[in-house]
Amino acid sequence: AQSVSQHNHHVILSEAASLELGCNYSYGGTVNLFWYVQYPGQHLQLLLKYFSGDPLVKGIKGFEAEFIKSKFSFNLRKPSVQWSDTAEYFCAVNSGGGADGLTFGKGTHLIIQP
Amino acid sequence: DAMVIQNPRYQVTQFGKPVTLSCSQTLNHNVMYWYQQKSSQAPKLLFHYYDKDFNNEADTPDNFQSRRPNTSFCFLDIRSPGLGDAAMYLCATSRVGRNQPQHFGDGTRLSIL
Repeated sequence: AQSVSQHNHHVILSEAASLELGCNYSYGGTVNLFWYVQYPGQHLQLLLKYFSGDPLVKGIKGFEAEFIKSKFSFNLRKPSVQWSDTAEYFCAVNSGGGADGLTFGKGTHLIIQP
Repeated sequence: DAMVIQNPRYQVTQFGKPVTLSCSQTLNHNVMYWYQQKSSQAPKLLFHYYDKDFNNEADTPDNFQSRRPNTSFCFLDIRSPGLGDAAMYLCATSRVGRNQPQHFGDGTRLSIL
C-alpha cells in the first residue's frame, strides 16, 4: 500500500522568505506525484505534477518540486513567498497509468505573514 | 467556470437518516472519485467509477454507496449516517492515463445531528 508523509503540519513564514515543504512517499513501483493547494474556502487545485523525465518540475505561481527517487521524496519549493500563498498544501501520489485514486499526505498549513 | 460541481455545499442530516450528495462535471472525464476528508486529516479515497465500472476501496464501510447514472453525474449515498461520518466529501474527475491530474469540486461539508 502507498503512503505519503508530509513533515511539517504548520509553517509560518514572512513574505519574501524561501519555502521548502517536505514530502516522502512509500511505494516500490512506478508512481505519479502531485502537489495540490487549497486556498481558504476554495477547492483543491493542482500546483504541479511529475510523471517521468526531468525530475525538477515547475508549476504554477512560481512553485517547483524535485523528485529524488533514491530518497522517495518530492519536496515543494518557492524562492520567495507572498502573502497570497497562505493555504493548505497537499502532496499526493498514485500509481500506474489507469484510474487509480490519490493517496494524500496530511497536508501542511502555510501561513505567510506580511 | 465551475467544472466539477458539488451540491449542496453544506448538508445537515440526522443520525441514521439517509443522505445523498451530488457531483456533476462538465469535463467529460471517464473517471469520477469520491474522497472523505475529516478535520485535520488527509482526503481518503472511498471509491471511484471508471466509466460504468465501480471500484470500491477495501476499507470503505458498507454504509457508503455510489451511483453514476451517466458520464456527467455521480452520487454518494450514505445509508445510515453515524456521528463519525461527519466530514468534507470531495468529488474529483480525471481522464485515464499517467499524465492526467484529478480535478476537484468545492466539496460538501456534512454535519450529523
